[in-house]
Amino acid sequence: AQSVSQHNHHVILSEAASLELGCNYSYGGTVNLFWYVQYPGQHLQLLLKYFSGDPLVKGIKGFEAEFIKSKFSFNLRKPSVQWSDTAEYFCAVNSVNAGNMLTFGGGTRLMVKP
Amino acid sequence: GAGVSQSPSNKVTEKGKDVELRCDPISGHTALYWYRQSLGQGLEFLIYFQGNSAPDKSGLPSDRFSAERTGGSVSTLTIQRTQQEDSAVYLCASSPDPQETQYFGPGTRLLVL
Repeated sequence: AQSVSQHNHHVILSEAASLELGCNYSYGGTVNLFWYVQYPGQHLQLLLKYFSGDPLVKGIKGFEAEFIKSKFSFNLRKPSVQWSDTAEYFCAVNSVNAGNMLTFGGGTRLMVKP
Repeated sequence: GAGVSQSPSNKVTEKGKDVELRCDPISGHTALYWYRQSLGQGLEFLIYFQGNSAPDKSGLPSDRFSAERTGGSVSTLTIQRTQQEDSAVYLCASSPDPQETQYFGPGTRLLVL
């Protein structure tokens, strides 16, 4: 069975600080990788995704993530966070060979102090 | 265009009662998923529908849970004889194709007293 680990459960940053959220998955086959964000009181929204091609993907609001196949990682980054980035971030994986359902990490709560 | 909609947005019920949760996927999306988000378990897959194929029920936690999708569109998740541990936010998602991005609805927050 596939699993996803997010190493940081809570992160507190000041505005303009750089952000990196770790995500590792366990599955030996071909995977699709996602980062979703849940702003306070809102539903899950897609930040970015990787299906194939360039392992460095760019998403909305200045976020990017890098797929490193050898490390089974898909870390999320943003050079300079804003107060409005306060949210919970979820890494997720799916695979045709293991069903199309998403397997989510435990989430990382990010608080950005103004 | 319209996103995934779910109803009700909140549901409070008594232990032992049955509940039905509804999901309207994005028009034209062939794949529909139910997930559950709870404090102790995070986000968990429950069930997946793709077109007219038999659903993948591998994530349903017990036989008290069932779901159907009528006409390839609207889906209903039914929980029979609810228990307090069923309290959670139930999320529905749809995608145009099983390998495409899943778009989530706002969820139904279920509280079992």
